[in-house]
Amino acid sequence: EVQLVESGGGLVQPGGSLRLSCAASGFTFSDHYMDWVRQAPGKGLEWVGRARNKANSYIIEYAASVKGRFTISRDDSKNSLYLQMNSLKTEDTAVYYCVRNLYGGNYALDMWGQGTMVTVSS
Amino acid sequence: DIVMTQSPDSLAVSLGERATINCKSSQSVLYRSNNKNYLSWYQQKPGQPPKLLIYWASTRESGVPDRFSGSGSGTDFTLTISGLQAEDVAVYYCQQYYGSPLTFGGGTKLEIK
Repeated sequence: EVQLVESGGGLVQPGGSLRLSCAASGFTFSDHYMDWVRQAPGKGLEWVGRARNKANSYIIEYAASVKGRFTISRDDSKNSLYLQMNSLKTEDTAVYYCVRNLYGGNYALDMWGQGTMVTVSS
Repeated sequence: DIVMTQSPDSLAVSLGERATINCKSSQSVLYRSNNKNYLSWYQQKPGQPPKLLIYWASTRESGVPDRFSGSGSGTDFTLTISGLQAEDVAVYYCQQYYGSPLTFGGGTKLEIK
């Protein structure tokens, strides 16, 4: 079965850190760009960042709102995507989705995990 | 950044009728070299992740019912649901993948009248 499963969410205090993981299965993970997208409670979708594939030099891109605080990485040998979140703010509270790009480049987001909730609160 | 503006914010349509959702981008998302619009549509039901409906502005994702259709080019796009069914109640988002950062519209909440 083709799926993405996020883990690592939870409650953290402002200024704290958290590492999210995404385990992929059922497809050739290494072929795809992989993204993180978040959704604050009751709000819309916000792109967090992307890890390109090996064919595109594993380039990492970030939204301005998280650049310098969040780090995206991938391990193709483990079919996994990661999001290291440091210096967390209350406004980072959201469901974080791991998302696959259709085909092997910059395309639409065709597969979404169920998401993991991150709550930043004192 | 490319700003995506959806209208209306919410919409109530009778079962069997047509629903139309609009999306406008602050700059063109048409890539001239391949003549493709880098625009997609997603459906999100309560408690679920978004689901891809349409990409390249008008290509239906596999398994999506043909009552969903996308149209438009450049900066103006439309998602049309013909013959609304009860299971179509959801929030719909447009998204551009022409440039980084990827950006989404604010969403349109579709309800049954």
